[in-house]
This record gives sequence, C-alpha cells and structure tokens, in this order.
Amino acid sequence: DGGITQSPKYLFRKEGQNVTLSCEQNLNHDAMYWYRQDPGQGLRLIYYSQIVNDFQKGDIAEGYSVSREKKESFPLTVTSAQKNPTAFYLCASSKGGGRGAGELFFGEGSRLTVL
Amino acid sequence: GNSVTQMEGPVTLSEEAFLTINCTYTATGYPSLFWYVQYPGEGLQLLLKATKADDKGSNKGFEATYRKETTSFHLEKGSVQVSDSAVYFCALSLLSNDYKLSFGAGTTVTVRA
Repeated sequence: DGGITQSPKYLFRKEGQNVTLSCEQNLNHDAMYWYRQDPGQGLRLIYYSQIVNDFQKGDIAEGYSVSREKKESFPLTVTSAQKNPTAFYLCASSKGGGRGAGELFFGEGSRLTVL
Repeated sequence: GNSVTQMEGPVTLSEEAFLTINCTYTATGYPSLFWYVQYPGEGLQLLLKATKADDKGSNKGFEATYRKETTSFHLEKGSVQVSDSAVYFCALSLLSNDYKLSFGAGTTVTVRA
C-alpha cells in the first residue's frame, strides 16, 4: 500500500543531543513537509521541499535541519539549538504545486520527548 | 498575513446530534480551503476541500461551503456517530504559494453513545 512511513513512533532524548526523525514515502510525490503539532496550537510548518535537492524554511525552522537527497526521503534533524523540542512531529507529502498542493498525505507522526 | 480561526473546543455531543464547527479565515488572495481530521494516535487525513467561492465540499456525511462574503468554511454533519470522535482542523492555501498550508488550532470533538 502507498503511504508515508515515519519512524520512530516514540523517541526520548536527553538535552543537548541531536536526533533525526525519518520520513519515507512511496506515493511518488514531489513535495514533502515537516510540521510540528503542540496542544492547542494546531500545526506549524518547519520545512518543506518541492523537489529533490531543494528545500525551504517554514515558519519555525530555527533549531531544525533537513535534507532531500532522494525523492522518497525527507529526514528531519532536531538539533540541540531547538529550545523546546518536545512535541509531536508530522511528515506529509503532496503531488506538487497548483491546486493539488493543499491535499497533503500525512504519516502517523513521531512523538519526541526531551528528558 | 494568512490565518485560520476555528471555534474552540472541546465539543461533546451525543450520537445522532448535529455538529457544526465554525471556521473563518483571513487571506490576501483567493485561498483554497480544507478540512482535515485526526483520529486518536494517527496523522491527519483530508476530509473535504473547496477551491472557489460557493463550492461545497462533502465526504462521509460532512459538508462545508466556501463563503467568500463571510470568509467562512464551517463544517457540518447532520447525525454524528461515536466513530466521528476526532480532532478537526480547518486549513487554507493560496495559489501564489500552494506549498504552504495554514492550519487552525484544531477542534476536539467527542461523541458519546
């Protein structure tokens, strides 16, 4: 079945450590996204990528980094510079630009807890 | 800037009750509007969408009409079920930058048997 796979589902990190969240899609979508979800705040865009080897900052990119070396993969690294990293992280993909871009397909999310 | 405002939850209903979740938006252009649903422990799924004024999106018994004059996109369902318990998000995207969706804060709906 086609879809988005995020791993790990749960992750614990000590302060000062970097951690990388994996996101893989087999939908052949051009665009991929990372969102952060906090209670009562909806979803906020961290980074997005329209095409391989290209990505742009979203609204809250500070303390995060991404890469897009393959069409299928868009890993997110939460660095020690992120002041409040405990959150639920959602990866998504879409076919690309135009009116279809708003139709996002989401993974099941990764919950990161900093101890 | 572009933003979406949803009615605050949580909303608790009995089965077969009528559900309305209000959503209004602010946008500099002509947005496409969406409702996404998030079931417990899962990611979001697209529920319905509308791309121009007076369009009505519908799916799984839910409906929402794009009202340009009131900048609204309220979600309705005539008879809810326990399985409709979820968090509902209103969202918009602009043609000028379709890659960026702006989401509302989400409304938690609980349906009791």
